[in-house]
Amino acid sequence: EPEVTQTPSHQVTQMGQEVILRCVPISNHLYFYWYRQILGQKVEFLVSFYNNEISEKSEIFDDQFSVERPDGSNFTLKIRSTKLEDSAMYFCASRFGLIYNEQFFGPGTRLTVL
Amino acid sequence: AQRVTQPEKLLSVFKGAPVELKCNYSYSGSPELFWYVQYSRQRLQLLLRHISRESIKGFTADLNKGETSFHLKKPFAQEEDSAMYYCAQYRYGKLTFGQGTILTVHP
Repeated sequence: EPEVTQTPSHQVTQMGQEVILRCVPISNHLYFYWYRQILGQKVEFLVSFYNNEISEKSEIFDDQFSVERPDGSNFTLKIRSTKLEDSAMYFCASRFGLIYNEQFFGPGTRLTVL
Repeated sequence: AQRVTQPEKLLSVFKGAPVELKCNYSYSGSPELFWYVQYSRQRLQLLLRHISRESIKGFTADLNKGETSFHLKKPFAQEEDSAMYYCAQYRYGKLTFGQGTILTVHP
């Protein structure tokens, strides 16, 4: 069964550094998402992406964040200058289309900012 | 703003006992609701969607618009049901999650 994959599984970085989190959505899916979960807190929506542009973003998704689908398979989240409070689990998700809004999640990338 | 509330952070039951994980949502219209489950060291996966009214792994969830609730129920809990359960509402292109409930089923 096809799955969403994410790399790396764990990323450690210094404050102020740029990080890129990578995701490969399920191949025939059209809608892509990033969520994050700070330790002990709920899963929070960051951004949705469709037809090569952002369709919705939360207040968390400020100018330090960007997303890209550089080719037909990858979907990336870039944090330009990481802060301590960016430490969290980042989940990528994808969904096929309009009828059912089930989103399929990747295993997550744990980002630790030191 | 949309809100999804799961009042219990932790829920413990014994094997064979009934279990109910509570979820309340804030939207007053026709919501689109889901239950996701995360087993230890695994990804979030869809357990139930309200629109299909199906039973998965013995779990059911009924939408109660009057009480704005979507509680998850199972008549006889099994040890393998131990996991984190998230209630989520889909609207405006995104899922809004509750805080999650950790269910522990003791032998």
